Amino acid sequence: DSGVTQTPKHLITATGQRVTLRCSPRSGDLSVYWYQQSLDQGLQFLIQYYNGEERAKGNILERFSAQQFPDLHSELNLSSLELGDSALYFCASSVGAVTYEQYFGPGTRLTVT
Amino acid sequence: GQQLNQSPQSMFIQEGEDVSMNCTSSSIFNTWLWYKQDPGEGPVLLIALYKAGELTSNGRLTAQFGITRKDSFLNISASIPSDVGIYFCAGRMNRDDKIIFGKGTRLHILP
Repeated sequence: DSGVTQTPKHLITATGQRVTLRCSPRSGDLSVYWYQQSLDQGLQFLIQYYNGEERAKGNILERFSAQQFPDLHSELNLSSLELGDSALYFCASSVGAVTYEQYFGPGTRLTVT
Repeated sequence: GQQLNQSPQSMFIQEGEDVSMNCTSSSIFNTWLWYKQDPGEGPVLLIALYKAGELTSNGRLTAQFGITRKDSFLNISASIPSDVGIYFCAGRMNRDDKIIFGKGTRLHILP
């Protein structure tokens, strides 16, 4: 158990809908990262928040957004969902702003039908 | 964009065999990380490397930070059934803080 929690574990929704994925980092970690993992693409970095502020951006679509709240939990919002958004979404956390060792949550499996 | 080439893509071995996999890039990295992912789970950090030439062990696992800083290697000795899974390398470059992941090596152990 990494100490990072993610909810829900599974999510099934229809195209065009909007969903919110939630992540709580390990106790003491200030950074939260979001990744998308699809079958043939490996782990794609989406976005990082550090202590409530956006720190780094990766290959995140404009239809996706995230935020980190004062209690350090984070939410990833995915809107106007398309079939291709079906994937595993992982949250990871680390102690500081600079990414060295990251600890991953169990993931949310999103299926868009 | 930056890429990590991880090889082999998959491996089929007998229990008890040693395993070697590697990660290479055309860019210089200042941190290398190795993760293992079991089916339906998140990646778990196995080994972190911070200096060129560094050799670090974690039980039967040994990883090395290549001298050129463009590659890293992971060895597993005397494989056991629970070693099955996907092994990812990840690297952090000097000029930014993002971590880039390889596409993984899928390890299968034959009965």
